[in-house]
Parts: sequence; structure tokens; C-alpha cells
Amino acid sequence: RKEVEQDPGPFNVPEGATVAFNCTYSNSASQSFFWYRQDCRKEPKLLMSVYSSGNEDGRFTAQLNRASQYISLLIRDSKLSDSATYLCVIYSSASKIIFGSGTRLSIRP
Amino acid sequence: DAEITQSPRHKITETGRQVTLACHQTWNHNNMFWYRQDLGHGLRLIHYSYGVQDTNKGEVSDGYSVSRSNTEDLPLTLESAASSQTSVYFCASSATSGLGVDTQYFGPGTRLTVL
Repeated sequence: RKEVEQDPGPFNVPEGATVAFNCTYSNSASQSFFWYRQDCRKEPKLLMSVYSSGNEDGRFTAQLNRASQYISLLIRDSKLSDSATYLCVIYSSASKIIFGSGTRLSIRP
Repeated sequence: DAEITQSPRHKITETGRQVTLACHQTWNHNNMFWYRQDLGHGLRLIHYSYGVQDTNKGEVSDGYSVSRSNTEDLPLTLESAASSQTSVYFCASSATSGLGVDTQYFGPGTRLTVL
């Protein structure tokens, strides 16, 4: 089993829809959690951090469920510009940064 | 504006050759990282550094080496390039003193092909 797993998608949803995807992790000692966004053939960029109490930034909400060992990303009122690959990132220790392989999201007009 | 740059952006080389990929950041960050990205694997950590003269192995360090002689640069060397090292390589930097919770800023990537 991979240490970090994401549904690769693609998720193909209409503009204005709400979409959510998860990222599961196997190491219960994981400490820090993030979502990054990566556009086609570009570098990843931080989207948001994920806290136990949840984190909301405009149309984006990230949550952490330690008991079930997953993080989630919810996008409301999706825009065409949200089309990208979303990577979860888990920090397990000083030498363990694990990137998920990404979930592809495509927003159609 | 501060930035992180990589060169070359594209490189084609032959099996067995030594190749060095450059990474330069002007953020004045202590921490620098090298990743490779392959289909189905996401980004995998190759080497990282917490400061000048500090280097550490990541998940997939075999066949790669780095050196950190100043704050701005972390060149990645492939000692003897292999076809399995064909990939996109990303350099990143972050500000915290440890492998902590701060944002990583990525360079634009280097696409390496080993024939």
C-alpha cells in the first residue's frame, strides 16, 4: 500500500459545481498536511495548509480527519480556472515528505 | 522579486554521462530540495539541505548527489546517467529551519531525457 494515495481522476465537472476529493495516508505519526495545485507542465504551488480544525479560503475548504487518516479538499462554485492537478503533501518526519500522485480536475463550461 | 530558477530547462544526454542540473534561489531560504516527478508517482524527494554544507538523502537518492556551498545554490549531479533517470526535476526552497510547515516554492522544472 502506498504511504499516500489519491484518486487520480480525472474529475470532470460543470462550472459552478461543488467537487471534493480525498487523500489517504498510512503513517499515523504524520505531522503536517498541505494541498498544492499544479497546472499542466508547470511547477506545484501551495494552495492551502490543512489543520485539524479545518481551513477555509474563499471557495476552498480543507479538512483533516486523523482518526480515519485522510485529508480532503472541497471546491465550491468551481471555475474554469480551477482545472488543474491537486497534490496532497504529507510531512511524516524530518526526512519524510510524501507527495500524492495527484487528482486531475477538469471544469467544463 | 525573489525567485527560484533552474537550468537548463530541457536536457538530452546519453547513458553513462555525468549531468548537473542547476538550482538558484534568491529568497535567502535555508532549506532547499530536489524532487523528481514521474507519471503515477507524484513528486519524490531526492536530496535536501537545511543550510550551507548540509545535505541529506531523500527517498530516491541512489545515483544522485548534491552539494551546498552557499545559500543560493543546490546543484544536482547525476553521476552516470541512466534511462531510468529520465524525468522532470523540480527544485524547491523553504524558509523554516527544519523540515517544518512552511511553504515550499518550486522552480519551473528541468525536463531531462537520458537516451
